[in-house]
Amino acid sequence: QSVLTQPPSVSGAPGQRVTISCTGSSSNIGAGSEVHWYQQLPGTAPKLLIYGNTKRPSGVPDRFSGTKSGTSASLAITGLQAEDEADYYCQSYHSSLSGSAFGGGTKLTVL
Amino acid sequence: EAQLLQSGGGLVQPGGSLRLSCSASGFTYSSYAMSWIRQAAGKGLERISGFSIGGGSIYYADSVEGRFTISSDNSQNTLYLQMNSLRAEDTAVYYCARASGGYNSVAFDIWGQGTMVTVSS
Repeated sequence: QSVLTQPPSVSGAPGQRVTISCTGSSSNIGAGSEVHWYQQLPGTAPKLLIYGNTKRPSGVPDRFSGTKSGTSASLAITGLQAEDEADYYCQSYHSSLSGSAFGGGTKLTVL
Repeated sequence: EAQLLQSGGGLVQPGGSLRLSCSASGFTYSSYAMSWIRQAAGKGLERISGFSIGGGSIYYADSVEGRFTISSDNSQNTLYLQMNSLRAEDTAVYYCARASGGYNSVAFDIWGQGTMVTVSS
């Protein structure tokens, strides 16, 4: 049972916009901890997609964006493409764990 | 280019031991905290061990506390995970990852390719 809750799955048609939520608590996101997002393509290692709530590492398309409010955060993907089909994970610092916690992951299906 | 190259892993019997290695290149290894993260088949990511930013402490998940030991050889730019008393539930892909950021803003920005550990008789 993760301390960060994500929907198990989301889907969208090519070109559409989808959002993935990450719900935490006052022990992590609500305490001011930053939220990071990872994309894991099938059979590969996770890749940092969004860091510091809203920032994109070099090379990540601006179709990907992150927001944070209160005890939750969201990842938005616009102009969905077939290659976006992957698992997405949020991650944040959790005080009682003395370190990072991951959300359970969300499988994105491009219809 | 910053890279992490993993080795070790494989098939081991329950109760056995295994050591994973993670060799860093392309960045100043000693300036970063490192972690081990695992993923069982069809499951999510679980951070199982890591050095804190600043190196003052070591974290172990309850699931591996007392059985796994993380260590680092800065002269070899290499991170290790010694796994003892292995159980079937330790079967997973293990990743090493570089941590960047402050204490409540740590992100894992570089990942190894992953190595499979299978615990089975």
